[in-house]
Amino acid sequence: ILNVEQSPQSLHVQEGDSTNFTCSFPSSNFYALHWYRWETAKSPEALFVMTLNGDEKKKGRISATLNTKEGYSYLYIKGSQPEDSATYLCASYSSASKIIFGSGTRLSIRP
Amino acid sequence: GAVVSQHPSRVICKSGTSVKIECRSLDFQATTMFWYRQFPKQSLMLMATSNEGSKATYEQGVEKDKFLINHASLTLSTLTVTSAHPEDSSFYICSVGSALNTEAFFGQGTRLTVV
Repeated sequence: ILNVEQSPQSLHVQEGDSTNFTCSFPSSNFYALHWYRWETAKSPEALFVMTLNGDEKKKGRISATLNTKEGYSYLYIKGSQPEDSATYLCASYSSASKIIFGSGTRLSIRP
Repeated sequence: GAVVSQHPSRVICKSGTSVKIECRSLDFQATTMFWYRQFPKQSLMLMATSNEGSKATYEQGVEKDKFLINHASLTLSTLTVTSAHPEDSSFYICSVGSALNTEAFFGQGTRLTVV
């Protein structure tokens, strides 16, 4: 994989349900994987910075895992709330100082 | 975290004119700032890395004479789109961060429309 790919592109989830989405990135020269939440009319906000294979990070109801060998990361949201509605971006940082963003997963939570 | 202020948030300019976008790091001394561009339904694409006191590093395919970057102080980087054309219409956003393995802080972005 040469690009960063996120799937699905968009997701509609019922309030209270849990959900997850994927970020696939180049595994060669891996340095760090970032997750951001981007709400409309606001700046992207960092959720996690992950560097180690097998890393798992958690912030409240949101967690993420990292597999650097196969080049993927999952973001999980437990018990979705309307305020979780946003676009979730991942970005791959390589040791060659290359930064590549995915197109994002647009999450909408239905009340 | 760092607070990054980007200005203007929206700008409409005529074809052939130049537009300057400012990115200010309000509480963080940023030796490096990053400039991105996003076309509709596409991902953020890194345009250039702005280095305080030295020349910016441009990504492949980005014309340095077209997109002038000045990073004269630790708190301010500017991106000037020179002789703008309609195809330069896009969303431009800056970020600052101390290292690649730490979180980046973004400005609010600038929506440029060239008519």
